[in-house]
Amino acid sequence: DTAVSQTPKYLVTQMGNDKSIKCEQNLGHDTMYWYKQDSKKFLKIMFSYNNKELIINETVPNRFSPKSPDKAHLNLHINSLELGDSAVYFCASSQDLAERQYNEQFFGPGTRLTVL
Amino acid sequence: RKEVEQDPGPFNVPEGATVAFNCTYSNSASQSFFWYRQDCRKEPKLLMSVYSSGNEDGRFTAQLNRASQYISLLIRDSKLSDSATYLCVVNMDNFNKFYFGSGTKLNVKP
Repeated sequence: DTAVSQTPKYLVTQMGNDKSIKCEQNLGHDTMYWYKQDSKKFLKIMFSYNNKELIINETVPNRFSPKSPDKAHLNLHINSLELGDSAVYFCASSQDLAERQYNEQFFGPGTRLTVL
Repeated sequence: RKEVEQDPGPFNVPEGATVAFNCTYSNSASQSFFWYRQDCRKEPKLLMSVYSSGNEDGRFTAQLNRASQYISLLIRDSKLSDSATYLCVVNMDNFNKFYFGSGTKLNVKP
């Protein structure tokens, strides 16, 4: 009954490889997000999708490509991995509510990516 | 300047102490405000939303000062289990775009 799930939990790979991280939410939320948390613990938004439509695309290298096949899934594909991509990637979801102070985000457990 | 700034700490306090964290935000048009808690190697989880008039949830009190563009979190009677990193979060526009502070680490000692 996990609300937001991500796979894999750990990912260790070589520089230059291509990898994907998958995210699914069973909360019926309209909006999903990808965040990157670096070694300094700073959590930065990368992408946001609302009902399968991309609404936020921060300054992220185009090696990162999100895909949302339906509103319950948001996957992240990364091409040509670099050392600096090593971080924890969190998926999250939220419902769009008129009372914005109730727009709680629910986070997945994170994917710890290590690029060697 | 970062959109949301917090003192990284750590704040080391004894059990039972009262501790307060502040957070400043840069965009005066920010619409909603939250405190999240993140335990070591875990995902962030909502602690409480911050309402304009301030709000309290048990030992936790959140305040918003729009004029000075800061929010605060007060924890009374600290417990060992309160040890975590507290993240200040601000929503700045209509597209569910959330900015996170870098977090304030709290260590509650016996």
